[in-house]
Amino acid sequence: DIQMTQSPSTLSASVGDRVIITCRASQSIKTWLAWYQQKPGKAPKLLIYKASTLESGVPSRFSGSGSGTEFTLTISSLQPDDFATYYCQQYNSMITFGQGTRLEIK
Amino acid sequence: EVQLVESGGGLVQPGGSLRLSCAASGFTFKNYAMTWVRQGQGKGLEWVSAISGSGRHIYEADSAKGRFTISRDNSMNTLYLQMSSLRAEDTAVYYCAKGSFDGDWTADAFDIWGQGTMVTVSS
Repeated sequence: DIQMTQSPSTLSASVGDRVIITCRASQSIKTWLAWYQQKPGKAPKLLIYKASTLESGVPSRFSGSGSGTEFTLTISSLQPDDFATYYCQQYNSMITFGQGTRLEIK
Repeated sequence: EVQLVESGGGLVQPGGSLRLSCAASGFTFKNYAMTWVRQGQGKGLEWVSAISGSGRHIYEADSAKGRFTISRDNSMNTLYLQMSSLRAEDTAVYYCAKGSFDGDWTADAFDIWGQGTMVTVSS
């Protein structure tokens, strides 16, 4: 089974900051990686698929990169609405989620 | 409007069974993979099971094997999760979600999610 490890688990940042969340796969998943945003009490929302393709309607301050085993989600300038928990998900072999990164206000 | 609506959650005793349903609307249901994902209180997302658009291909997490069965009725635009031998650790919100891309595969990114249905396993 492919394991997905996100870092950090918690990230404190301020509005306007540039933040980077990392996701590592235990083996190559090529670019079969998605990123989701989840707010308390709500379903996850797809942000990025195929490692770097922005889902329709998602603000351009979100971007994804990487291939193989190392991936990043970057938010170029944090907005108040961005404070949430973020998950990566691989879909190269079965499906696995990372453990999540909680982005909190500094 | 593309929509998924889960139902069937509730309180069940350990060892009991429950069937969850997910009613889909607003898209050609048979063309997309579907999945169940669960989330315990204060915990992360845990993938449970996925099924291809045709229903021919099924993936299951180890936690689901032998106890949970995913299925779909493309004539009714409905996804199911039959759960048996339920344990306290199965207590969670269960979400259904739609695959992003048209095609008969099983693993995918998931672009539409339901609101979730709560399953509580307790005596």
